Amino acid sequence: QVQLVESGGGVVQTGGSLRLSCAASGFSFSRSHMHWVRQTPGKGLEWVAIIWNDGRTDFYVDSVKGRFTISRDNSKNTVHLQMNSLRGEDTGVYYCAKDAYHATFDYWGQGTLVTVSS
Amino acid sequence: QSALTQPPSASGSPGQSVTISCTGTSSDVGGYNYVSWYQQHPGKAPKLMIYEVSKRPSGVPDRFSGSKSGNTASLTVSGLQAEDEADYYCCSYAASDGADLRVFGTGTKVTVL
Repeated sequence: QVQLVESGGGVVQTGGSLRLSCAASGFSFSRSHMHWVRQTPGKGLEWVAIIWNDGRTDFYVDSVKGRFTISRDNSKNTVHLQMNSLRGEDTGVYYCAKDAYHATFDYWGQGTLVTVSS
Repeated sequence: QSALTQPPSASGSPGQSVTISCTGTSSDVGGYNYVSWYQQHPGKAPKLMIYEVSKRPSGVPDRFSGSKSGNTASLTVSGLQAEDEADYYCCSYAASDGADLRVFGTGTKVTVL
């Protein structure tokens, strides 16, 4: 069955960096676009980034452009999110999600918590 | 990249129906038939309930249905059951200058009275 397992969350100071990872299994990873979606405390879901299946094309929400980088390793079935210059508003649970059709996330990980403190 | 607008809350008694709206613009909801809906219970990951406006994934009860008119999409839950109490989020494809983007709604808490 499809599994997405995130790791790498934790507590980091404002201005610091963190790298999240998502290990995927149970589907053809190299044929699937992948996303990161976050949920801030008490608030809703926010789409963060997408990386296409070939790893050469990525897009971001405006609020993280220039600070976050999504990448993938198709040989290891993993997707990463490098987060730099972290701010308090980046605090939240970060989910890895598999893309299926347009604007459809058919599988989600359990999430990893990122806390940015001053 | 503004969030789609959803009502903060909706409620109904068991067996009744509830409809949640999701309003965007012609650059997202109105421009594409690529709206999906997610159910999220507390402490859990979101679950796909509807995709491409009105299609149901395998395993989702037919009590859940979706539609769209102009810049507003809607999710209807018929025959409300206790387990339907959850937060619901819409999501739309939102291409901009060739960028492949997504945007979520603000979320709606559904209460079963």
